[in-house]
Amino acid sequence: EVHLVESGGGLVQPGGSLRLSCAASGFIFSDYWMHWVRQLPGKGLVWVARVRSDGSDASYAASVRGRFTISRDNAKSTLYLQMNSLRAEDTAVYYCAKDSILGSGSSDYWGQGTLVTVSS
Amino acid sequence: QSALTQPDSVSGSPGQSITISCTGTSSDVGGFNYVSWFQQHPGKAPELIIYEVTNRPSGVSNRFSGSKSGNTASLTISGLQDEDEADYYCSSFTSSHTVVFGTGTKVTVL
Repeated sequence: EVHLVESGGGLVQPGGSLRLSCAASGFIFSDYWMHWVRQLPGKGLVWVARVRSDGSDASYAASVRGRFTISRDNAKSTLYLQMNSLRAEDTAVYYCAKDSILGSGSSDYWGQGTLVTVSS
Repeated sequence: QSALTQPDSVSGSPGQSITISCTGTSSDVGGFNYVSWFQQHPGKAPELIIYEVTNRPSGVSNRFSGSKSGNTASLTISGLQDEDEADYYCSSFTSSHTVVFGTGTKVTVL
Protein backbone atom coordinates (compact mmCIF):
# COMPACT_ATOMS: atom_id res chain seq x y z
CA GLU A 1 0.00 0.00 0.00
CA VAL A 2 1.26 3.45 -0.94
CA HIS A 3 2.01 5.82 1.93
CA LEU A 4 3.26 9.39 1.81
CA VAL A 5 4.02 11.07 5.13
CA GLU A 6 5.00 14.72 5.27
CA SER A 7 6.91 16.28 8.14
CA GLY A 8 8.82 19.44 8.95
CA GLY A 9 6.01 21.96 9.07
CA GLY A 10 5.63 24.48 11.86
CA LEU A 11 5.78 28.13 12.79
CA VAL A 12 8.51 30.25 11.22
CA GLN A 13 9.13 33.99 11.11
CA PRO A 14 8.96 35.96 7.86
CA GLY A 15 12.27 35.71 6.07
CA GLY A 16 13.04 32.39 7.71
CA SER A 17 13.64 28.94 6.27
CA LEU A 18 12.08 25.52 6.65
CA ARG A 19 12.66 22.12 5.07
CA LEU A 20 9.76 19.79 4.49
CA SER A 21 10.22 16.07 4.04
CA CYS A 22 7.94 13.43 2.55
CA ALA A 23 8.68 9.80 3.33
CA ALA A 24 7.35 7.44 0.68
CA SER A 25 6.65 3.71 0.84
CA GLY A 26 4.68 1.06 -0.98
CA PHE A 27 5.94 1.82 -4.49
CA ILE A 28 9.19 2.15 -6.41
CA PHE A 29 9.91 5.75 -5.47
CA SER A 30 12.69 6.18 -8.05
CA ASP A 31 10.29 5.47 -10.94
CA TYR A 32 7.94 8.40 -10.43
CA TRP A 33 7.82 12.16 -10.66
CA MET A 34 6.83 13.80 -7.37
CA HIS A 35 5.09 17.08 -6.60
CA TRP A 36 4.50 19.54 -3.80
CA VAL A 37 1.08 21.19 -3.72
CA ARG A 38 -0.13 23.69 -1.14
CA GLN A 39 -3.50 24.81 0.12
CA LEU A 40 -3.94 28.10 1.87
CA PRO A 41 -6.37 28.01 4.80
CA GLY A 42 -9.89 27.68 3.45
CA LYS A 43 -8.69 28.14 -0.12
CA GLY A 44 -7.98 26.06 -3.19
CA LEU A 45 -5.09 23.88 -4.27
CA VAL A 46 -1.99 25.56 -5.67
CA TRP A 47 0.77 23.65 -7.40
CA VAL A 48 4.25 24.42 -6.06
CA ALA A 49 6.89 22.26 -7.72
CA ARG A 50 7.68 18.91 -9.34
CA VAL A 51 10.83 16.84 -9.70
CA ARG A 52 11.73 14.11 -12.18
CA SER A 53 12.10 10.55 -11.00
CA ASP A 54 15.91 10.70 -11.02
CA GLY A 55 16.06 14.23 -9.64
CA SER A 56 17.65 15.63 -12.80
CA ASP A 57 14.86 18.06 -13.67
CA ALA A 58 12.53 20.26 -11.66
CA SER A 59 10.04 23.03 -12.29
CA TYR A 60 8.41 25.59 -10.03
CA ALA A 61 5.44 27.89 -9.75
CA ALA A 62 6.40 31.51 -10.41
CA SER A 63 5.44 32.48 -6.85
CA VAL A 64 8.13 30.28 -5.31
CA ARG A 65 10.81 30.15 -8.01
CA GLY A 66 14.16 31.25 -6.62
CA ARG A 67 13.03 30.77 -3.01
CA PHE A 68 12.01 27.09 -2.88
CA THR A 69 13.99 24.05 -3.98
CA ILE A 70 12.51 20.61 -4.55
CA SER A 71 14.81 17.62 -4.30
CA ARG A 72 14.75 13.91 -3.58
CA ASP A 73 16.86 11.12 -2.17
CA ASN A 74 15.85 7.95 -3.98
CA ALA A 75 18.01 5.81 -1.69
CA LYS A 76 15.87 6.99 1.24
CA SER A 77 12.59 7.21 -0.74
CA THR A 78 12.21 10.76 0.51
CA LEU A 79 11.12 13.98 -1.15
CA TYR A 80 12.16 17.38 0.14
CA LEU A 81 11.11 21.01 -0.18
CA GLN A 82 13.61 23.59 1.02
CA MET A 83 11.77 26.84 1.61
CA ASN A 84 13.77 30.06 2.05
CA SER A 85 12.81 33.73 2.39
CA LEU A 86 9.39 32.70 3.63
CA ARG A 87 6.52 35.16 3.44
CA ALA A 88 3.16 35.35 5.18
CA GLU A 89 1.50 34.29 1.94
CA ASP A 90 3.38 30.98 2.05
CA THR A 91 1.25 29.96 5.03
CA ALA A 92 -0.54 26.80 3.92
CA VAL A 93 -0.89 23.07 4.26
CA TYR A 94 1.76 21.49 2.07
CA TYR A 95 1.03 18.15 0.43
CA CYS A 96 3.42 15.85 -1.34
CA ALA A 97 1.92 13.86 -4.17
CA LYS A 98 3.04 10.95 -6.32
CA ASP A 99 2.61 11.46 -10.05
CA SER A 100 2.67 9.08 -12.95
CA ILE A 101 5.78 8.06 -14.82
CA LEU A 102 5.00 10.87 -17.27
CA GLY A 103 5.02 13.62 -14.66
CA SER A 104 1.92 15.16 -16.17
CA GLY A 105 0.19 16.06 -12.93
CA SER A 106 -2.08 13.05 -12.52
CA SER A 107 -1.16 12.61 -8.88
CA ASP A 108 -2.75 9.37 -7.73
CA TYR A 109 -1.53 9.39 -4.12
CA TRP A 110 -1.25 12.26 -1.66
CA GLY A 111 0.04 12.62 1.84
CA GLN A 112 -2.08 14.07 4.63
CA GLY A 113 -0.21 17.37 4.54
CA THR A 114 1.92 19.41 6.92
CA LEU A 115 1.00 22.91 8.05
CA VAL A 116 3.45 25.76 7.55
CA THR A 117 2.67 29.01 9.32
CA VAL A 118 4.73 32.10 8.54
CA SER A 119 4.15 34.74 11.17
CA SER A 120 6.02 36.98 13.57
CA GLN B 1 0.27 31.02 -14.85
CA SER B 2 -3.31 31.88 -13.94
CA ALA B 3 -5.55 29.34 -12.28
CA LEU B 4 -7.99 27.48 -14.48
CA THR B 5 -11.54 28.82 -14.17
CA GLN B 6 -14.19 26.71 -12.48
CA PRO B 7 -17.65 27.68 -11.20
CA ASP B 8 -17.65 28.43 -7.48
CA SER B 9 -20.49 26.05 -6.78
CA VAL B 10 -22.76 23.49 -8.41
CA SER B 11 -25.69 21.75 -6.79
CA GLY B 12 -28.07 18.95 -7.62
CA SER B 13 -30.56 16.56 -6.10
CA PRO B 14 -29.76 12.91 -5.43
CA GLY B 15 -29.89 10.90 -8.62
CA GLN B 16 -29.39 13.89 -10.88
CA SER B 17 -26.37 14.57 -13.07
CA ILE B 18 -24.20 17.65 -12.77
CA THR B 19 -21.32 18.98 -14.84
CA ILE B 20 -18.39 21.09 -13.69
CA SER B 21 -16.44 23.08 -16.26
CA CYS B 22 -12.74 23.91 -16.20
CA THR B 23 -11.60 26.60 -18.63
CA GLY B 24 -8.00 27.30 -19.49
CA THR B 25 -6.04 28.27 -22.56
CA SER B 26 -4.29 26.67 -25.50
CA SER B 27 -1.15 26.62 -23.33
CA ASP B 28 -2.68 24.24 -20.83
CA VAL B 29 -6.09 22.54 -21.13
CA GLY B 30 -6.34 23.02 -24.88
CA GLY B 31 -2.78 22.02 -25.61
CA PHE B 32 -2.47 18.72 -23.78
CA ASN B 33 -4.57 15.70 -22.91
CA TYR B 34 -3.25 15.91 -19.36
CA VAL B 35 -6.27 17.17 -17.49
CA SER B 36 -6.95 15.62 -14.10
CA TRP B 37 -9.80 15.98 -11.64
CA PHE B 38 -9.57 15.68 -7.86
CA GLN B 39 -12.20 15.30 -5.16
CA GLN B 40 -11.52 16.74 -1.71
CA HIS B 41 -13.69 16.23 1.34
CA PRO B 42 -13.32 18.67 4.27
CA GLY B 43 -10.14 18.09 6.25
CA LYS B 44 -8.94 15.39 3.86
CA ALA B 45 -6.29 15.16 1.19
CA PRO B 46 -7.38 15.37 -2.45
CA GLU B 47 -8.15 12.16 -4.32
CA LEU B 48 -7.62 11.61 -8.05
CA ILE B 49 -10.87 10.72 -9.82
CA ILE B 50 -10.04 11.42 -13.49
CA TYR B 51 -6.70 11.56 -15.29
CA GLU B 52 -5.68 12.25 -18.88
CA VAL B 53 -9.07 13.86 -19.55
CA THR B 54 -11.22 10.73 -19.56
CA ASN B 55 -9.56 7.95 -17.57
CA ARG B 56 -10.72 6.73 -14.15
CA PRO B 57 -8.25 5.25 -11.69
CA SER B 58 -9.03 1.80 -10.39
CA GLY B 59 -11.68 1.93 -7.69
CA VAL B 60 -13.28 5.20 -8.77
CA SER B 61 -16.99 4.99 -9.49
CA ASN B 62 -18.06 5.00 -13.13
CA ARG B 63 -20.51 7.73 -12.18
CA PHE B 64 -17.58 10.11 -12.70
CA SER B 65 -16.65 10.92 -16.29
CA GLY B 66 -14.46 13.49 -17.98
CA SER B 67 -14.32 15.16 -21.36
CA LYS B 68 -12.68 18.06 -23.14
CA SER B 69 -13.55 20.44 -25.95
CA GLY B 70 -11.04 23.07 -26.98
CA ASN B 71 -9.78 24.94 -23.93
CA THR B 72 -12.53 23.65 -21.62
CA ALA B 73 -12.58 20.37 -19.76
CA SER B 74 -15.62 19.02 -17.96
CA LEU B 75 -16.37 16.60 -15.15
CA THR B 76 -19.80 14.97 -15.06
CA ILE B 77 -21.15 13.24 -11.98
CA SER B 78 -24.10 10.99 -12.78
CA GLY B 79 -26.56 9.61 -10.26
CA LEU B 80 -25.51 12.17 -7.66
CA GLN B 81 -25.13 10.74 -4.16
CA ASP B 82 -24.75 12.33 -0.74
CA GLU B 83 -21.12 11.19 -0.58
CA ASP B 84 -20.34 13.24 -3.69
CA GLU B 85 -20.71 16.45 -1.69
CA ALA B 86 -17.15 17.80 -1.71
CA ASP B 87 -14.81 20.25 -3.40
CA TYR B 88 -13.62 19.39 -6.91
CA TYR B 89 -10.49 20.66 -8.62
CA CYS B 90 -9.23 20.27 -12.15
CA SER B 91 -5.59 20.50 -13.09
CA SER B 92 -3.62 20.61 -16.31
CA PHE B 93 -0.07 20.22 -17.48
CA THR B 94 1.18 23.40 -19.16
CA SER B 95 3.50 24.41 -21.98
CA SER B 96 5.93 25.73 -19.35
CA HIS B 97 6.27 22.20 -17.97
CA THR B 98 4.41 23.19 -14.85
CA VAL B 99 1.02 22.20 -13.50
CA VAL B 100 -1.90 24.53 -12.86
CA PHE B 101 -4.98 23.84 -10.75
CA GLY B 102 -8.48 25.14 -11.17
CA THR B 103 -10.13 27.53 -8.75
CA GLY B 104 -12.24 24.75 -7.27
CA THR B 105 -15.96 23.98 -7.23
CA LYS B 106 -18.05 23.16 -4.20
CA VAL B 107 -20.64 20.51 -5.01
CA THR B 108 -23.75 20.48 -2.84
CA VAL B 109 -26.25 17.63 -2.81
CA LEU B 110 -29.66 19.13 -2.09
